Amino acid sequence: NAGVTQTPKFRILKIGQSMTLQCTQDMNHNYMYWYRQDPGMGLKLIYYSVGAGITDKGEVPNGYNVSRSTTEDFPLRLELAAPSQTSVYFCASTREGINGYTFGSGTRLTVV
Amino acid sequence: EDQVTQSPEALRLQEGESSSLNCSYTVSGLRGLFWYRQDPGKGPEFLFTLYSAGEEKEKERLKATLTKKESFLHITAPKPEDSATYLCAVPSQTGANNLFFGTGTRLTVIP
Repeated sequence: NAGVTQTPKFRILKIGQSMTLQCTQDMNHNYMYWYRQDPGMGLKLIYYSVGAGITDKGEVPNGYNVSRSTTEDFPLRLELAAPSQTSVYFCASTREGINGYTFGSGTRLTVV
Repeated sequence: EDQVTQSPEALRLQEGESSSLNCSYTVSGLRGLFWYRQDPGKGPEFLFTLYSAGEEKEKERLKATLTKKESFLHITAPKPEDSATYLCAVPSQTGANNLFFGTGTRLTVIP
């Protein structure tokens, strides 16, 4: 079992560029989440999904978009990158609700 | 308003020196309190879930306890490999299906 796989691990973007952070899980989990982690700020929820075709905004959704066309994949899209989006992004999944998230290893994004 | 506050921000211990980390919460109708461990450059790893005051969970040198206002993560005779950031989390008050995380306690155990 690979668990939750995130790609890429590192990325440098220029202001205004776009990119997609990939997240895939092989545990048949219904619930998937995107968090960002900034130094001293804790993990902040960007978007989440309770199943294929269903997504909802979290605490800090501005500047991001998501889709959930399959159970396995939950990509996060940045359309116009800004320096404020420099962060470490984590994808997580769980079978039901809030119990025992499994996290990916993260994507470190720098916007310059 | 912060739902979870962790203290201290950082803690340095000698190997074998026991101590406790604190997580205080302000949510009502707690539906669980969660502890995670995060190593540098990695995603958080789930440790424990506590659901009611008085409950305790143990794993190796770690024991988590819960009261009506806070949770403690007790570390007994720590080893250098216990060095990590420990995060606590509670169900978000604004969403039915996600967690609100504290900022963590960075633990360093010195040989």
